[in-house]
Parts: sequence; C-alpha cells; structure tokens
Amino acid sequence: RKEVEQDPGPFNVPEGATVAFNCTYSNSASQSFFWYRQDCRKEPKLLMSVYSSGNEDGRFTAQLNRASQYISLLIRDSKLSDSATYLCVVNMNDYKLSFGAGTTVTVRA
Amino acid sequence: NAGVMQNPRHLVRRRGQEARLRCSPMKGHSHVYWYRQLPEEGLKFMVYLQKENIIDESGMPKERFSAEFPKEGPSILRIQQVVRGDSAAYFCASSPPEGSNTGELFFGEGSRLTVL
Repeated sequence: RKEVEQDPGPFNVPEGATVAFNCTYSNSASQSFFWYRQDCRKEPKLLMSVYSSGNEDGRFTAQLNRASQYISLLIRDSKLSDSATYLCVVNMNDYKLSFGAGTTVTVRA
Repeated sequence: NAGVMQNPRHLVRRRGQEARLRCSPMKGHSHVYWYRQLPEEGLKFMVYLQKENIIDESGMPKERFSAEFPKEGPSILRIQQVVRGDSAAYFCASSPPEGSNTGELFFGEGSRLTVL
C-alpha cells in the first residue's frame, strides 16, 4: 500500500467553481501534513500546512481527519491560475516527507 | 537571494554512461534532500544529507547510485552505468538547520535525465 494516495483527477472546473479533493495516508503515526502545488514540469512549492482543527488560507481550506487518516483541500472561487497539480504531503519523522502522486486541477474560462 | 540551484537542467546519457547532478542549497541552508519523480508518479525520497554526512539514504537504490555533500561545493547525486529506468526528474531540496519540521522544503527546478 502506498504511503500517500491521491485521486489523480483531473478535476476540470469552470472559473468561480468550488473544487475539493482528498488524500489518504497509511501511517497512523504521521506527524504533520501539507499541501504542495506543482505546476507543469516545475518544482513543487508549499501551498499550506494542514492543522488538526482545519485551516484556511484565502480561498483554500485544508482539513485533517486523523481517525480516518485523510486530508482534504478545498478551493473556492477557482481562478485560472489555480490550474496545477496538488501534492498531498505527509511528514513521517522530522525530515522525511512522503509525497502523493498529485491531483490535477484544470480551471477553464 | 538565490534559491536552490540545480544543474544541469537537462541531461541526456546513453546506457552505461555516468550521470552527475549538482545541487547548491539556498544560502544559510545546511540540509539537502534528493527526490526522484517518475512520470505520473509522486516524488520519491532518495537521500538526506548534511554537510559531509549522509543522514538517511534509505530511498537510494543499493547499486549505482551515490550522493555526497562535501564541506565545500554543491551536493552531487551520481548515477553510474545508467539504464533507461533511471530516466526521471531529480529534484533537490534544502531546508535550514532546524530541518523540515515546518514541512517547507525549498526545491530546485530539477534535473531531467533522459537515458537513451
């Protein structure tokens, strides 16, 4: 079983729509969680951390469910610039990050 | 303030040749990580280094792959006798001395290796 699993998508949504997707992780001892964004053939960049109580950063909302071992990301009022691959990332110890394969989101005009 | 610098950006090798990928971390960062990304797959951890020390190489294939981060100069990922399956994007990332506890790794633009 993969350490981090994501629905690859693609999620094709119109501008202004809301899109949400999850990822699951296998190691119940995982300590911290993040969403990274990767544009086509570019380097990944941290989008936001995911806290147990859930957190927002502008139009982005992240949730963590430790009992079910899943993490979610919701994007409100989608912009064309939100088109990217979103990587679910789990911190197994104090330095090793495990990356999901990514969920591709395409926002169309 | 330069970010993580990787070179070459693109490298083409024939089977059996050697590939050397270089990574200079961000200024002030002393921790370097190498990840490999195959098409349609996630980034896979390969190795974690600090200056002159390999901390964790559990993701490195046992043969043909080696990494170093010398006292002076960039970190090097070396692949000997490359095979077609080594074709991938190799990303280097760095973090400050406190490590990646915050989850933020700063990635270079990657080195794309193509083995013919």
